[in-house]
Amino acid sequence: EAGVAQSPRYKIIEKRQSVAFWCNPISGHATLYWYQQILGQGPKLLIQFQNNGVVDDSQLPKDRFSAERLKGVDSTLKIQPAKLEDSAVYLCASLGHSGNYGYTFGSGTRLTVV
Amino acid sequence: AQSVTQPDIHITVSEGASLELRCNYSYGATPYLFWYVQSPGQGLQLLLKYFSGDTLVQGIKGFEAEFKRSQSSFNLRKPSVHWSDAAEYFCAVGAGQAGTALIFGKGTTLSVSS
Repeated sequence: EAGVAQSPRYKIIEKRQSVAFWCNPISGHATLYWYQQILGQGPKLLIQFQNNGVVDDSQLPKDRFSAERLKGVDSTLKIQPAKLEDSAVYLCASLGHSGNYGYTFGSGTRLTVV
Repeated sequence: AQSVTQPDIHITVSEGASLELRCNYSYGATPYLFWYVQSPGQGLQLLLKYFSGDTLVQGIKGFEAEFKRSQSSFNLRKPSVHWSDAAEYFCAVGAGQAGTALIFGKGTTLSVSS
């Protein structure tokens, strides 16, 4: 089966600009996660979707970050305006209904804010 | 609250030598535990996972991990390290409900010397 697709792979923007990331999960996977991985740290959950509804966005900086998952399939994560500390890898993961914790991660988008 | 501690930030092992990466978790009930590996510029690849049953879990690439409830540990081991094992390794914990987002440790970077 195809994996979790993410684009772009790399993005460099200036601070205060906006940026958007896209994620297409594995077909049929109902649960989708966005993680932020700052250099030297483990991934940290930003937001979790179940189909097109938000399950957990408690760690999403809502003043600048937004995410949506229209139609319960692919998802976009947006940052506006970006700050230097947003430089990180943004990972998308999806989980099917199997219940066996079969999380699958995408390759991520590396964001550099200058 | 759940948490994961990986005490070793960086480990260097000679090729052919054995490896043990430490992971300690904090969670009130029986956790679901995972080890992931991440090569530079890549996403997270699952090495193994523990839900219940046999506390010694076998994974891919010759890795194994042992769950020790009394020590709240889930250490990763490999009897003979190959140069291609050089990467970053993350331990993660999930709550007892399927679909809950994973919480990751900060990771251990493994270097392999010849």
